[in-house]
Amino acid sequence: KAGVTQTPRYLIKTRGQQVTLSCSPISGHRSVSWYQQTPGQGLQFLFEYFSETQRNKGNFPGRFSGRQFSNSRSEMNVSTLELGDSALYLCASSPGTGTQGDTQYFGPGTRLTVL
Amino acid sequence: QKEVEQDPGPLSVPEGAIVSLNCTYSNSAFQYFMWYRQYSRKGPELLMYTYSSGNKEDGRFTAQVDKSSKYISLFIRDSQPSDSATYLCAMSRPTGNQFYFGTGTSLTVIP
Repeated sequence: KAGVTQTPRYLIKTRGQQVTLSCSPISGHRSVSWYQQTPGQGLQFLFEYFSETQRNKGNFPGRFSGRQFSNSRSEMNVSTLELGDSALYLCASSPGTGTQGDTQYFGPGTRLTVL
Repeated sequence: QKEVEQDPGPLSVPEGAIVSLNCTYSNSAFQYFMWYRQYSRKGPELLMYTYSSGNKEDGRFTAQVDKSSKYISLFIRDSQPSDSATYLCAMSRPTGNQFYFGTGTSLTVIP
């Protein structure tokens, strides 16, 4: 099976701009979670989508949003970028049934730099 | 208090050493425990996955879960320079599909 893919791999934006990141999960997986990873904070959970619905949400401001399509592909959007949004954004896919201990498989990440 | 605590290190060991990486947690509802390895500028890759208490071995890696102490460990035997990476612990409850991660321990194995 192909793994989780994320595009683009690298992005440079300036403050105030917006950005959209894309994630394609493993075939058959219906859950996609997004994380922000920074050296100081580690992996911070943004949100999880399952069957096109946001099922779980972390403690990030409303500038961070996401969506999931019927083919399980997901996008996340960050509006009005701030310098502190510079990070590695990771997407993880799992079957999503939530029972019997699904585990997550990560993509390579999108490295976002905000200047 | 964070739900999952992990010593960030850094940890530096000579090649061939036994490495012990640990996490503690506070939520007794966690039943599934994972270890991920993350190389620099890459996404985390799943290394070990265990359910409830006990040990699981895979080659040079052994994962141990002690639910009574809310403590999990990853042991790496005969460590190699290629093991140099950040190791993240993660855990989840039986339902809900939400995962809780430690901040990661940075490991360097010196040839």
